[in-house]
Amino acid sequence: ETGVTQTPRHLVMGMTNKKSLKCEQHLGHNAMYWYKQSAKKPLELMFVYSLEERVENNSVPSRFSPECPNSSHLFLHLHTLQPEDSALYLCASSQTDGTGDYEQYFGPGTRLTVT
Amino acid sequence: AQSVAQPEDQVNVAEGNPLTVKCTYSVSGNPYLFWYVQYPNRGLQFLLKYITGDNLVKGSYGFEAEFNKSQTSFHLKKPSALVSDSALYFCATEDPYNQGGKLIFGQGTELSVKP
Repeated sequence: ETGVTQTPRHLVMGMTNKKSLKCEQHLGHNAMYWYKQSAKKPLELMFVYSLEERVENNSVPSRFSPECPNSSHLFLHLHTLQPEDSALYLCASSQTDGTGDYEQYFGPGTRLTVT
Repeated sequence: AQSVAQPEDQVNVAEGNPLTVKCTYSVSGNPYLFWYVQYPNRGLQFLLKYITGDNLVKGSYGFEAEFNKSQTSFHLKKPSALVSDSALYFCATEDPYNQGGKLIFGQGTELSVKP
């Protein structure tokens, strides 16, 4: 176990549904991330939160809405998704100090299928 | 812009033989380089990193990587492959000036080790 948990592990939703993905880290880290992993594509960084403030949003569609209520929890709220949003969504955390000398710890991911 | 490339989609190795998974990088300034492994239905696990110092970096599960500045490479190696090493391997670089941290991943290399 990496100290990062994600729920649910699998999610099937219709295009009109609203659902949320949850991530929790037990490592005392100060930064959290959402990535999208699609088949045959590199991992795509979606959102970065540092000290509970969003510091990066890589032009992600507004149907994805992140929330970071504290340094241990990260949510990804989903609404009116498209079939092409089906992917593995990975959460990660790290302890950043501005030097770049740190690794990220990943959760097991949520396999999302949009029907 | 920082980037890494993994020129091989798949690497096949016989058990007991040495393995190499290739990665080249393009970064401005001093590179921060990482290797991660992803087993089926799991998140990414950190293997090793190069920040500075010795060009040969040792990591988890007997893996090591050699930083070669003249060839802008950071190949992952293991002297004797195991069937259990079969997984998806990602090379990544870090933007040290990005607040909150940002990993840029290669497209991944599928390693298959046959008995």
